Amino acid sequence: KNQVEQSPQSLIILEGKNCTLQCNYTVSPFSNLRWYKQDTGRGPVSLTIMTFSENTKSNGRYTATLDADTKQSSLHITASQLSDSASYICVVTSNTGGGNKLTFGTGTQLKVEL
Amino acid sequence: GAVVSQHPSRVICKSGTSVKIECRSLDFQATTMFWYRQFPKKSLMLMATSNEGSKATYEQGVEKDKFLINHASLTLSTLTVTSAHPEDSSFYICSAMRDTYGYTFGSGTRLTVV
Repeated sequence: KNQVEQSPQSLIILEGKNCTLQCNYTVSPFSNLRWYKQDTGRGPVSLTIMTFSENTKSNGRYTATLDADTKQSSLHITASQLSDSASYICVVTSNTGGGNKLTFGTGTQLKVEL
Repeated sequence: GAVVSQHPSRVICKSGTSVKIECRSLDFQATTMFWYRQFPKKSLMLMATSNEGSKATYEQGVEKDKFLINHASLTLSTLTVTSAHPEDSSFYICSAMRDTYGYTFGSGTRLTVV
């Protein structure tokens, strides 16, 4: 069964600090992995996308890594800001020939405090 | 870019009435759109795949007659919650895929049935 597990479930950090969110997946066949940011009451917004051959991808203060061998990904947030408070969702896409199928992680709820 | 607009963002309706939610791809054509439901602090659950010009494909456990989906054009899909009840209260999100941009999500609709 395809699964995406994220850790931690929730995290509180002080403004300006860095943090790393984890994503482990058992999705097969693997097509790509995306990290999304979802503000409360809003739809998810894409941060990064990585395919099998990519190890790292940056988007401003967000840096995602992918280890396709161990089926793990991480999202590193540098110099956190209050506006980073949101849910971060890891989504893995598989393509079985019948079309793309997305498997969503349950998300990590990040809160950045003063 | 790839922009998906969802309307309304919030709706409150009386039990027994129907509510229509619109999802539009603003700057691209989408032959396929997706409808999700999200409960508080939970991940997105795929309800159905909306196919332009043909019937939607529903996920197991999703009532076709309660959640009517129409994809009459390449830029518009609608989800109608018929005879809504309080248990239908939830956050509904649509998404569409555009080439290398991948999946773009709408901003979501908060439905409250009273």
